[in-house]
Amino acid sequence: NAGVTQTPKFQVLKTGQSMTLQCAQDMNHNSMYWYRQDPGMGLRLIYYSASEGTTDKGEVPNGYNVSRLNKREFSLRLESAAPSQTSVYFCASSGSPGQGAEQFFGPGTRLTVL
Amino acid sequence: QQPVQSPQAVILREGEDAVINCSSSKALYSVHWYRQKHGEAPVFLMILLKGGEQKGHEKISASFNEKKQQSSLYLTASQLSYSGTYFCGTENQFGNEKLTFGTGTRLTIIP
Repeated sequence: NAGVTQTPKFQVLKTGQSMTLQCAQDMNHNSMYWYRQDPGMGLRLIYYSASEGTTDKGEVPNGYNVSRLNKREFSLRLESAAPSQTSVYFCASSGSPGQGAEQFFGPGTRLTVL
Repeated sequence: QQPVQSPQAVILREGEDAVINCSSSKALYSVHWYRQKHGEAPVFLMILLKGGEQKGHEKISASFNEKKQQSSLYLTASQLSYSGTYFCGTENQFGNEKLTFGTGTRLTIIP
């Protein structure tokens, strides 16, 4: 039981390059989330998916797209990376929408955009 | 709008107690508490639900005042392992499972 896994762990991009961050969970959770964490800002929600086939914007969606490929996998894409997207990205999942379910976090991806 | 946490940072000696507060301007369905150690992912500690139900950690307790839209996390007889940054995450009134996190409280425990 691996929980929530993320790839890659580290990435360096040049401005304008694109990339996809991968996330998978093996807990049969309905909901999945993408957050970014910047120093002093806490965790900010980028996008979330309440169930397979649905996605919705969070607080800071600009510059990102997501795909809920199936119940296990939720990917985050940066189409044209900008230095402002330098951050640590966390994927999370939870079991029961609307039931106050705890969120389980992946280990994070540290992204630097030059 | 992010909930406000206080204090921003606190330093304690091992064995001392701490209280971390979280305040929201919006009506809340639940409050979550997480702890994050440096370079690691946040880890769940506690959920407090509207109506008084509480689920969480054995040695850490918390309160949730629904009317004041505030929650407090109580760490008693602190241990070195309690060091880290504590975040509250608030879920809005309609229980749609999205969390809005505070900016965190950095707790340092010294021997």
